[in-house]
Amino acid sequence: KNQVEQSPQSLIILEGKNCTLQCNYTVSPFSNLRWYKQDTGRGPVSLTIMTFSENTKSNGRYTATLDADTKQSSLHITASQLSDSASYICVVSPTGGGADGLTFGKGTHLIIQP
Amino acid sequence: ETGVTQTPRHLVMGMTNKKSLKCEQHLGHNAMYWYKQSAKKPLELMFVYSLEERVENNSVPSRFSPECPNSSHLFLHLHTLQPEDSALYLCASSQVWPPETQYFGPGTRLLVL
Repeated sequence: KNQVEQSPQSLIILEGKNCTLQCNYTVSPFSNLRWYKQDTGRGPVSLTIMTFSENTKSNGRYTATLDADTKQSSLHITASQLSDSASYICVVSPTGGGADGLTFGKGTHLIIQP
Repeated sequence: ETGVTQTPRHLVMGMTNKKSLKCEQHLGHNAMYWYKQSAKKPLELMFVYSLEERVENNSVPSRFSPECPNSSHLFLHLHTLQPEDSALYLCASSQVWPPETQYFGPGTRLLVL
C-alpha cells in the first residue's frame, strides 16, 4: 500500500531560525511530489512540485529536496517568520496519475514563536 | 486566493438535517474534487468530477451525494450525517484530470451534533 510518512508531527521554533521537515514515501513508480502549506482554517496552497528527475526546487525561503533513490524529500525553511506557522503537507503522485492515486501525508504542524 | 470559493465556511447541523456545501472555481479548470480532512489524518479523497462526469467515488457513504451541474460548480449534499462526519470539507480543482497541481478552496468546517 502506498504511504507517505511525515516527521516531525509537530515542531515549535523561534522566529528567524531555520527548520527542516521530512517526508518519506513508498509510492512506486513515482511521478511527482508536492509540498503544500495549509494555514489554519484555510485550504492547502502549493509550495513546490518536483518530478523524479529533480533534486531541489526553491520558492522564496522554502527549498524542497528530493532523493528518489531513498524515497525521501525534505522542506527547508530559512529565516522563519511568524506567517510560516501552518501545517505542511507532502503529497506523492504515482506514475499514471489518477486523483485516487494521490497519497497525502498527515502533515507537520509548525509553530513559529516570536 | 479567490480562485476556488466555498460556502458556507462553517456549518452546524443535526443528524436529521439536510444541507448542501457549495464550491465554485473561477480558474477555467476541467476537474473538481471533494476531500474530507479530519484531525490528525491525511486528506481523504471523496469524489472526482472531470468535465462534469463523475470519475472517482472512493467508497463514500450514500449520505454524501455530490452534484456537478457545470464545470465551475460542485455541490456536496448532506443528509442524515453522523457525528464522525464532523470535519473540514475541502473542494479543489485542477486544469485536467489526472491532476498536476490542485488548487484548494478554504474549506467548510462541518460539525454534526
